[in-house]
Amino acid sequence: AAGVIQSPRHLIKEKRETATLKCYPIPRHDTVYWYQQGPGQDPQFLISFYEKMQSDKGSIPDRFSAQQFSDYHSELNMSSLELGDSALYFCASSLGGRGGFRGNQPQHFGDGTRLSIL
Amino acid sequence: DAKTTQPNSMESNEEEPVHLPCNHSTISGTDYIHWYRQLPSQGPEYVIHGLTSNVNNRMASLAIAEDRKSSTLILHRATLRDAAVYYCILDGGTYKYIFGTGTRLKVLA
Repeated sequence: AAGVIQSPRHLIKEKRETATLKCYPIPRHDTVYWYQQGPGQDPQFLISFYEKMQSDKGSIPDRFSAQQFSDYHSELNMSSLELGDSALYFCASSLGGRGGFRGNQPQHFGDGTRLSIL
Repeated sequence: DAKTTQPNSMESNEEEPVHLPCNHSTISGTDYIHWYRQLPSQGPEYVIHGLTSNVNNRMASLAIAEDRKSSTLILHRATLRDAAVYYCILDGGTYKYIFGTGTRLKVLA
Protein backbone atom coordinates (compact mmCIF):
# COMPACT_ATOMS: atom_id res chain seq x y z
CA ALA A 1 0.00 0.00 0.00
CA ALA A 2 1.13 3.54 -0.72
CA GLY A 3 2.66 5.33 2.23
CA VAL A 4 3.49 8.91 3.12
CA ILE A 5 6.41 10.13 1.06
CA GLN A 6 8.79 12.77 2.33
CA SER A 7 11.57 14.49 0.45
CA PRO A 8 14.39 14.94 0.71
CA ARG A 9 15.40 12.18 3.11
CA HIS A 10 18.49 14.05 4.19
CA LEU A 11 19.31 17.74 4.03
CA ILE A 12 22.39 19.61 5.12
CA LYS A 13 22.25 23.37 5.50
CA GLU A 14 24.28 26.09 7.11
CA LYS A 15 23.10 28.60 9.70
CA ARG A 16 20.88 31.37 8.38
CA GLU A 17 20.01 29.42 5.22
CA THR A 18 16.51 28.34 4.20
CA ALA A 19 15.08 24.86 3.68
CA THR A 20 11.92 23.40 2.20
CA LEU A 21 10.64 19.98 3.20
CA LYS A 22 7.96 18.24 1.16
CA CYS A 23 5.30 15.73 2.13
CA TYR A 24 3.06 13.67 -0.14
CA PRO A 25 0.18 12.09 1.79
CA ILE A 26 -1.41 8.73 1.26
CA PRO A 27 -3.89 8.95 -1.66
CA ARG A 28 -7.32 10.23 -0.55
CA HIS A 29 -5.98 11.52 2.76
CA ASP A 30 -6.97 15.15 3.17
CA THR A 31 -5.10 15.98 6.38
CA VAL A 32 -1.38 16.39 6.94
CA TYR A 33 0.61 16.92 10.11
CA TRP A 34 4.19 18.00 10.78
CA TYR A 35 6.29 16.90 13.72
CA GLN A 36 9.83 17.66 14.84
CA GLN A 37 11.97 15.16 16.75
CA GLY A 38 15.25 16.37 18.19
CA PRO A 39 18.04 13.97 19.15
CA GLY A 40 16.93 11.72 22.01
CA GLN A 41 13.56 13.47 22.24
CA ASP A 42 9.97 12.50 21.53
CA PRO A 43 8.16 13.87 18.47
CA GLN A 44 6.72 17.37 18.96
CA PHE A 45 3.72 18.58 16.99
CA LEU A 46 4.33 21.60 14.77
CA ILE A 47 1.29 22.24 12.57
CA SER A 48 -1.52 20.50 10.69
CA PHE A 49 -3.78 21.15 7.72
CA TYR A 50 -7.22 19.83 6.84
CA GLU A 51 -8.58 20.46 3.37
CA LYS A 52 -5.83 23.02 2.71
CA MET A 53 -6.68 25.09 5.78
CA GLN A 54 -4.54 25.22 8.91
CA SER A 55 -6.31 23.09 11.50
CA ASP A 56 -3.99 23.30 14.52
CA LYS A 57 -0.69 24.82 15.48
CA GLY A 58 1.86 23.71 18.04
CA SER A 59 5.23 25.04 19.06
CA ILE A 60 6.29 26.05 15.58
CA PRO A 61 8.81 28.91 15.40
CA ASP A 62 7.78 32.05 13.54
CA ARG A 63 10.68 31.34 11.17
CA PHE A 64 8.79 28.29 9.94
CA SER A 65 5.73 28.31 7.71
CA ALA A 66 3.78 25.59 6.00
CA GLN A 67 0.94 25.12 3.59
CA GLN A 68 -1.12 22.42 1.96
CA PHE A 69 -1.68 22.57 -1.76
CA SER A 70 -4.65 21.68 -3.95
CA ASP A 71 -3.27 18.17 -4.54
CA TYR A 72 -3.02 17.80 -0.71
CA HIS A 73 0.75 17.67 -0.60
CA SER A 74 2.34 19.93 1.97
CA GLU A 75 5.55 21.90 2.30
CA LEU A 76 7.33 23.09 5.44
CA ASN A 77 9.42 26.18 4.81
CA MET A 78 12.16 27.02 7.27
CA SER A 79 14.16 30.23 7.23
CA SER A 80 17.08 31.67 9.19
CA LEU A 81 18.07 28.17 10.18
CA GLU A 82 19.68 27.69 13.59
CA LEU A 83 21.79 24.88 15.00
CA GLY A 84 18.85 23.90 17.19
CA ASP A 85 16.73 23.17 14.13
CA SER A 86 18.78 20.03 13.49
CA ALA A 87 16.24 17.25 13.88
CA LEU A 88 14.13 14.64 12.19
CA TYR A 89 11.01 16.14 10.65
CA PHE A 90 8.09 13.80 10.18
CA CYS A 91 4.99 14.28 8.14
CA ALA A 92 1.87 12.24 8.74
CA SER A 93 -1.43 12.02 6.92
CA SER A 94 -4.92 10.84 7.71
CA LEU A 95 -8.53 11.26 6.76
CA GLY A 96 -9.92 14.38 8.38
CA GLY A 97 -13.45 15.19 9.36
CA ARG A 98 -14.90 16.23 12.68
CA GLY A 99 -14.92 14.94 16.23
CA GLY A 100 -15.40 11.25 16.63
CA PHE A 101 -14.77 10.45 12.99
CA ARG A 102 -11.45 12.33 13.08
CA GLY A 103 -10.35 10.65 16.31
CA ASN A 104 -11.01 7.26 14.76
CA GLN A 105 -8.60 7.92 11.87
CA PRO A 106 -5.00 6.99 12.71
CA GLN A 107 -2.20 9.16 11.46
CA HIS A 108 0.26 7.43 9.14
CA PHE A 109 3.81 8.69 9.28
CA GLY A 110 6.51 9.02 6.66
CA ASP A 111 10.13 8.06 7.29
CA GLY A 112 11.09 11.68 7.85
CA THR A 113 13.62 14.20 6.65
CA ARG A 114 16.82 14.43 8.62
CA LEU A 115 17.88 18.07 8.69
CA SER A 116 21.41 18.87 9.78
CA ILE A 117 22.53 22.45 10.34
CA LEU A 118 26.26 23.08 10.21
CA ASP B 1 -5.22 17.53 26.11
CA ALA B 2 -5.49 14.41 28.23
CA LYS B 3 -2.16 13.06 29.37
CA THR B 4 -0.82 9.51 29.26
CA THR B 5 1.69 7.88 31.59
CA GLN B 6 3.83 4.91 30.60
CA PRO B 7 6.79 3.13 32.20
CA ASN B 8 10.08 4.36 30.81
CA SER B 9 11.33 0.91 29.88
CA MET B 10 10.44 -2.77 29.90
CA GLU B 11 12.20 -5.98 29.04
CA SER B 12 10.84 -9.18 27.59
CA ASN B 13 12.21 -12.51 26.49
CA GLU B 14 11.86 -13.45 22.86
CA GLU B 15 8.72 -15.44 22.00
CA GLU B 16 7.02 -14.50 25.26
CA PRO B 17 3.97 -12.23 25.56
CA VAL B 18 4.50 -8.58 26.46
CA HIS B 19 1.99 -6.36 28.23
CA LEU B 20 2.69 -2.64 27.86
CA PRO B 21 0.56 -0.51 30.21
CA CYS B 22 -0.68 3.04 29.76
CA ASN B 23 -2.52 5.19 32.29
CA HIS B 24 -4.83 7.95 31.08
CA SER B 25 -6.92 8.87 34.10
CA THR B 26 -8.16 12.17 32.58
CA ILE B 27 -9.41 10.59 29.36
CA SER B 28 -12.65 12.06 28.00
CA GLY B 29 -15.53 10.10 26.56
CA THR B 30 -14.63 10.92 22.96
CA ASP B 31 -10.90 10.16 23.19
CA TYR B 32 -9.65 7.26 21.10
CA ILE B 33 -6.62 5.38 22.43
CA HIS B 34 -3.92 4.98 19.78
CA TRP B 35 -0.71 3.00 20.03
CA TYR B 36 2.36 3.60 17.90
CA ARG B 37 5.88 2.27 17.94
CA GLN B 38 9.06 3.85 16.70
CA LEU B 39 12.32 2.25 15.68
CA PRO B 40 15.49 4.39 15.62
CA SER B 41 15.56 6.93 12.78
CA GLN B 42 12.15 5.81 11.50
CA GLY B 43 8.74 7.41 11.64
CA PRO B 44 6.22 6.25 14.25
CA GLU B 45 4.37 3.18 13.04
CA TYR B 46 0.67 2.73 13.74
CA VAL B 47 -0.04 -0.39 15.81
CA ILE B 48 -3.66 -0.36 16.97
CA HIS B 49 -6.41 1.88 18.33
CA GLY B 50 -9.72 1.61 20.11
CA LEU B 51 -12.41 3.50 21.96
CA THR B 52 -14.10 1.23 24.51
CA SER B 53 -13.94 -2.39 23.44
CA ASN B 54 -10.86 -4.58 23.24
CA VAL B 55 -9.35 -4.72 19.77
CA ASN B 56 -7.24 -7.26 17.92
CA ASN B 57 -5.25 -7.01 14.71
CA ARG B 58 -2.38 -8.88 13.14
CA MET B 59 0.20 -6.89 15.10
CA ALA B 60 -1.21 -6.77 18.61
CA SER B 61 -4.19 -6.66 20.93
CA LEU B 62 -5.47 -3.67 22.87
CA ALA B 63 -7.16 -4.22 26.19
CA ILE B 64 -9.09 -1.21 27.51
CA ALA B 65 -10.16 -1.00 31.14
CA GLU B 66 -13.87 -0.73 31.80
CA ASP B 67 -13.49 2.80 33.19
CA ARG B 68 -11.15 3.64 30.28
CA LYS B 69 -8.58 5.13 32.62
CA SER B 70 -5.96 2.66 31.51
CA SER B 71 -5.15 0.38 28.61
CA THR B 72 -2.66 -2.35 27.79
CA LEU B 73 -0.99 -3.16 24.51
CA ILE B 74 -0.36 -6.87 24.21
CA LEU B 75 2.24 -8.36 21.91
CA HIS B 76 1.47 -12.05 21.89
CA ARG B 77 4.95 -13.33 21.02
CA ALA B 78 7.72 -10.80 21.19
CA THR B 79 10.41 -10.94 18.53
CA LEU B 80 13.65 -9.02 18.27
CA ARG B 81 11.98 -6.82 15.64
CA ASP B 82 9.49 -5.65 18.28
CA ALA B 83 12.22 -3.78 20.15
CA ALA B 84 11.15 -0.14 19.86
CA VAL B 85 9.72 2.81 21.75
CA TYR B 86 5.97 2.34 22.20
CA TYR B 87 3.72 5.39 22.53
CA CYS B 88 0.19 5.51 23.87
CA ILE B 89 -1.66 8.58 22.52
CA LEU B 90 -5.16 9.93 23.08
CA ASP B 91 -7.03 11.52 20.18
CA GLY B 92 -10.31 13.29 20.79
CA GLY B 93 -10.68 14.53 17.25
CA THR B 94 -8.08 17.27 17.40
CA TYR B 95 -5.66 17.70 14.55
CA LYS B 96 -2.52 16.76 16.47
CA TYR B 97 -0.91 14.07 18.56
CA ILE B 98 0.76 14.79 21.87
CA PHE B 99 3.54 12.25 22.36
CA GLY B 100 4.54 11.34 25.89
CA THR B 101 7.85 9.75 26.78
CA GLY B 102 6.78 6.26 25.71
CA THR B 103 8.07 2.86 26.82
CA ARG B 104 11.35 1.58 25.47
CA LEU B 105 10.89 -2.17 24.98
CA LYS B 106 13.96 -4.35 25.01
CA VAL B 107 13.59 -7.92 23.74
CA LEU B 108 16.12 -10.43 24.97
CA ALA B 109 17.16 -13.32 22.73
